[in-house]
Amino acid sequence: SAVISQKPSRDICQRGTSLTIQCQVDSQVTMMFWYRQQPGQSLTLIATANQGSEATYESGFVIDKFPISRPNLTFSTLTVSNMSPEDSSIYLCSVQGGTGSDEQFFGPGTRLTVL
Amino acid sequence: GQQLNQSPQSMFIQEGEDVSMNCTSSSIFNTWLWYKQEPGEGPVLLIALYKAGELTSNGRLTAQFGITRKDSFLNISASIPSDVGIYFCAGPIQGAQKLVFGQGTRLTINP
Repeated sequence: SAVISQKPSRDICQRGTSLTIQCQVDSQVTMMFWYRQQPGQSLTLIATANQGSEATYESGFVIDKFPISRPNLTFSTLTVSNMSPEDSSIYLCSVQGGTGSDEQFFGPGTRLTVL
Repeated sequence: GQQLNQSPQSMFIQEGEDVSMNCTSSSIFNTWLWYKQEPGEGPVLLIALYKAGELTSNGRLTAQFGITRKDSFLNISASIPSDVGIYFCAGPIQGAQKLVFGQGTRLTINP
């Protein structure tokens, strides 16, 4: 499986500011995904990011709040904009296991606390 | 939409005991995935199931794909302290290459 890293691993931010989270994969992948995991909760998909096209957002998530970049097949960023304490969560990126595969492999996550 | 109901929500067991958890849905799934998440880490894929009735093992872990395709089970035999964590089931949403996750089962082991 692919090796996935995320930066930063954790951060504490002030409300109203923005944070950009990076996700780096050690191999080229077509599909990358961004999830949010609120405290004590399960994973919720924010958006699917394919290289060369706009990200596809899930219901309840909008591009203005969570802009995503996917400049190449090994890298993606998620920005959490105009943060509020409700944005305090773990943000995870994942990659598809292979073309057509249902399996996904996850990065270690970014733990965000908004004061 | 497709949803997964996972039970139990939490388990408190003694080291050495066997563990069983399950995941059910009102919808059919063609794949069942079981993940484990430890504190401060992302979920790690434990077992993937692709065929109704399939029984697959990974060490002390055994998972089964229910014959109706609406449920799956994960068993852990002879639990050890490093089994502590949250176990999630997941399945692909029909017609889309994205996953839906269960609520998770939090496993705590008393040594």
